[in-house]
Amino acid sequence: EDQVTQSPEALRLQEGESSSLNCSYTVSGLRGLFWYRQDPGKGPEFLFTLYSAGEEKEKERLKATLTKKESFLHITAPKPEDSATYLCAVRGGSEKLVFGKGTKLTVNP
Amino acid sequence: DGGITQSPKYLFRKEGQNVTLSCEQNLNHDAMYWYRQDPGQGLRLIYYSQIVNDFQKGDIAEGYSVSREKKESFPLTVTSAQKNPTAFYLCASSIDPLYEQFFGPGTRLTVL
Repeated sequence: EDQVTQSPEALRLQEGESSSLNCSYTVSGLRGLFWYRQDPGKGPEFLFTLYSAGEEKEKERLKATLTKKESFLHITAPKPEDSATYLCAVRGGSEKLVFGKGTKLTVNP
Repeated sequence: DGGITQSPKYLFRKEGQNVTLSCEQNLNHDAMYWYRQDPGQGLRLIYYSQIVNDFQKGDIAEGYSVSREKKESFPLTVTSAQKNPTAFYLCASSIDPLYEQFFGPGTRLTVL
């Protein structure tokens, strides 16, 4: 059974304090790992898709990386507007996405 | 603007009632999905459809029903058989099941 575990559950940073969020997965035949951002009371917003180990993608202060067992979402010099819950999902042998429970990020000014 | 719309934003249901949540997309996507989100849990798949007039059960389909009569529309009915329907419901679509999914703004359903 495909599984996704995100850590930590919650992370509190000061503005400008860089850090990383972790997404560990077990899947039979990875066919995509997806990162989303979700603000309270809203639908998830797509950020990145990664398909193979070693792949990296960047968008503004965010950088996603992928290994054979986990993905990291690196946040460089975060700002308060980066506060949100970040969701990770994987697609394995089936066509369904399996989501983690998310990491709630709070960036204090 | 292309996107996914869900209505209503908030919905209140009395016990024993069926309610229907609307999902419309103008992205010309073939695949559409319904998820349920509860506090402290990951998104769980209710139903999905890869093509008009065809849909499959997800992981928690009991007490729910869907239809896909048009490419743009994928309504979800929460029936009285669903024992704990209070949740945040999210609709998503993708151009192909293997690609990223894009989500609507969600409908929060509360049972009174």
